[in-house]
Amino acid sequence: DVKVTQSSRYLVKRTGEKVFLECVQDMDHENMFWYRQDPGLGLRLIYFSYDVKMKEKGDIPEGYSVSREKKERFSLILESASTNQTSMYLCASSFRWRENTEAFFGQGTRLTVV
Amino acid sequence: RKEVEQDPGPFNVPEGATVAFNCTYSNSASQSFFWYRQDCRKEPKLLMSVYSSGNEDGRFTAQLNRASQYISLLIRDSKLSDSATYLCVVNGWGGATNKLIFGTGTLLAVQP
Repeated sequence: DVKVTQSSRYLVKRTGEKVFLECVQDMDHENMFWYRQDPGLGLRLIYFSYDVKMKEKGDIPEGYSVSREKKERFSLILESASTNQTSMYLCASSFRWRENTEAFFGQGTRLTVV
Repeated sequence: RKEVEQDPGPFNVPEGATVAFNCTYSNSASQSFFWYRQDCRKEPKLLMSVYSSGNEDGRFTAQLNRASQYISLLIRDSKLSDSATYLCVVNGWGGATNKLIFGTGTLLAVQP
């Protein structure tokens, strides 16, 4: 069974804290993605990575950074958490070179910034 | 204009009804198309891919119209278990790889 695992289901952090969200996949996928999901806005792409140490900005990268030191792990970093970053964060992975490739999601991390 | 647009619903339908969801996308260079399903407080999961010729999987039928940049999903004989949010997804080239662009989702509530 494909597994995409996010390190936490729920997190509460204070404004200004540095926050790390971790994602690990066991399918040898090249692509990994970070989305946030908010009511009425759907899933919005923050950053994605198609290889180790490679990253590209998605639609809403401001206030975030990412790290991909190993193929199986993709970290999302909130440099200085703010209340408008309270959201559900979803990690996904997929193969890079296959057409119609399915993306698999982690269970999500619900982050609250207070 | 959003890259992928869907009617957010909610669609409230009785059991046994047929319901159709529509989706439009803005990038004519988009390569692949999908419908994902998301249950409440769960992660999205692939429901079905959408092929140019149209495809069917049991009670579910997906259609693609490239000329109109339009995707549809038809659910026949709705079940209570079909209640979920249905996400239209377009896979476009992101400069280095394929990246998935999601619509906001359409909420379906099937009533007994």
